[in-house]
Amino acid sequence: DAGVTQSPTHLIKTRGQQVTLRCSPKSGHDTVSWYQQALGQGPQFIFQYYEEEERQRGNFPDRFSGHQFPNYSSELNVNALLLGDSALYLCASSFAGGPYEQYFGPGTRLTVT
Amino acid sequence: RKEVEQDPGPFNVPEGATVAFNCTYSNSASQSFFWYRQDCRKEPKLLMSVYSSGNEDGRFTAQLNRASQYISLLIRDSKLSDSATYLCAVNIGGSYIPTFGRGTSLIVHP
Repeated sequence: DAGVTQSPTHLIKTRGQQVTLRCSPKSGHDTVSWYQQALGQGPQFIFQYYEEEERQRGNFPDRFSGHQFPNYSSELNVNALLLGDSALYLCASSFAGGPYEQYFGPGTRLTVT
Repeated sequence: RKEVEQDPGPFNVPEGATVAFNCTYSNSASQSFFWYRQDCRKEPKLLMSVYSSGNEDGRFTAQLNRASQYISLLIRDSKLSDSATYLCAVNIGGSYIPTFGRGTSLIVHP
């Protein structure tokens, strides 16, 4: 049973650049959520995708955008990177019909210099 | 007041000890509750869902107290391998998006 996968595992970017992170959900899941986790903090919700639409969005600026593909995989795009965007980006998948437990991928560690 | 609050700790306990963490939530209409374990620089892993009647999985017991709006996690007979950060997650109100606390750090020493 394939779990949630994410790529890349690590990334170093410069301020102002753009980045794309990728996620494939756990087998049988159709919903993908993205989180940002700073050191010492809990994961902060960015947005959730279901049926290729953004279903809900957290308190993140428009620089953060996403996409979901017909095979349920998803991308997170961040434009005009800021130093404060340095964090662990986590993808979590779940099944829209419930239960609402989320399963996380290993994350992408983004460093902005 | 934050929607989901946890004492960051760290909780320093010897092997074999029993330790308990609480997590308070602000919205009385919240319906779904979870505990996750996160090792250093790794992803959170679902430890257990928390049901109204409480639930137990081996050395771990989770309880829900709706009246006081908190969930708890009890770990009995602590092992060195239990050292980690324990995150609680609450689906606030009727949301299907869990809101996470900042986590409680547990250090189990010999």
